[in-house]
Amino acid sequence: DQQVKQNSPSLSVQEGRISILNCDYTNSMFDYFLWYKKYPAEGPTFLISISSIKDKNEDGRFTVFLNKSAKHLSLHIVPSQPGDSAVYFCAASATGANSKLTFGKGITLSVRP
Amino acid sequence: DAGITQSPRHKVTETGTPVTLRCHQTENHRYMYWYRQDPGHGLRLIHYSYGVKDTDKGEVSDGYSVSRSKTEDFLLTLESATSSQTSVYFCAISTGQIGNTIYFGEGSWLTVV
Repeated sequence: DQQVKQNSPSLSVQEGRISILNCDYTNSMFDYFLWYKKYPAEGPTFLISISSIKDKNEDGRFTVFLNKSAKHLSLHIVPSQPGDSAVYFCAASATGANSKLTFGKGITLSVRP
Repeated sequence: DAGITQSPRHKVTETGTPVTLRCHQTENHRYMYWYRQDPGHGLRLIHYSYGVKDTDKGEVSDGYSVSRSKTEDFLLTLESATSSQTSVYFCAISTGQIGNTIYFGEGSWLTVV
């Protein structure tokens, strides 16, 4: 059973608009959440994270929102740029789990010029 | 640059042959991980290590073994490669502290024919 779900495989947005990438989780033990960005032929790169004690974390154009009651998080990118086109992975970990990350399947974001 | 080097970066091998992938880090991090990435599956944990000679299985460990004789090196071995092990393999490192980010290497592309 998939513990981290990214139900939309792809998203296309216009340059300058907002991109909203969604992620759901089922394991209530998860208390730390991360977003990774991946370009073709490269390794995943860390983008932004959030602890379960917070409901929002912002870093420049990127904001992650966490709704613990709904077991849902989302990544907002404002404004979207063509260079943001990549695969975005949502990941989660639990305290005491040796920092192991459980990943979603990823969302391919395309930003149209 | 996360200080992670994977080798080889690309390899084509025949079914039934042994294959070893190497991950080398310069960060002296305690935790090291091997993930594989496949279409429709995201990133899945194969094995991880929480110290020299201390390793444990991930969610897709069948057909793989690992060894860590030095802090800086983590080896992933396919004892007898199968076509289902054709994948992209990513090594990752972490300090293991709560809220710590995991950093990934550039990947090793393995094709089993």
